[in-house]
Amino acid sequence: GEDVEQSLFLSVREGDSSVINCTYTDSSSTYLYWYKQEPGAGLQLLTYIFSNMDMKQDQRLTVLLNKKDKHLSLRIADTQTGDSAIYFCAERGNQGGKLIFGQGTELSVKP
Amino acid sequence: NAGVTQTPKFQVLKTGQSMTLQCAQDMNHNSMYWYRQDPGMGLRLIYYSASEGTTDKGEVPNGYNVSRLNKREFSLRLESAAPSQTSVYFCASHLAGVYNEQFFGPGTRLTVL
Repeated sequence: GEDVEQSLFLSVREGDSSVINCTYTDSSSTYLYWYKQEPGAGLQLLTYIFSNMDMKQDQRLTVLLNKKDKHLSLRIADTQTGDSAIYFCAERGNQGGKLIFGQGTELSVKP
Repeated sequence: NAGVTQTPKFQVLKTGQSMTLQCAQDMNHNSMYWYRQDPGMGLRLIYYSASEGTTDKGEVPNGYNVSRLNKREFSLRLESAAPSQTSVYFCASHLAGVYNEQFFGPGTRLTVL
């Protein structure tokens, strides 16, 4: 079945780059997403990438997609303490609009 | 627009009690979802409703029921709460479109003693 995997924790220093990785199993995924969850809040869409793209850049965010290895990454440049949150990778499944989420990576940014 | 709203924000139940979690969206979205979030397990889909009048099971439906009351509202009912249902519950909605963004509510934190 469909599955999305992420490492659970990442700790970086303020000003460094953060790279959060994700692997997925459904090769028919059309869209892949990164959602951000701040403490005590719901999820908000951070960025997404269409499956025919290799890379998408949006200000400090860079998304890389390797379809051959079914690997997605999110790079945050110049990481700030405000970036501390849980980041979820998700893929659009093959049934309608349902999303399959990874476990979430908790990013801790230390000053 | 309020987006997706959920009530209550917090709830404590005793084993065997029942309750209904409410969700409403004002974005005229067709599809609505209920997820639960548990540490280290991400979000798991409980039930969803692709359109008004339809509901379908997700990954973890046991112990829950849902009602799509109208296009705006999608409720989740626990008939006989169990400690294993202690979790954070999120409602989401989306309008079928190109990139399929789901919009999330702020969550309901439920503890079952």
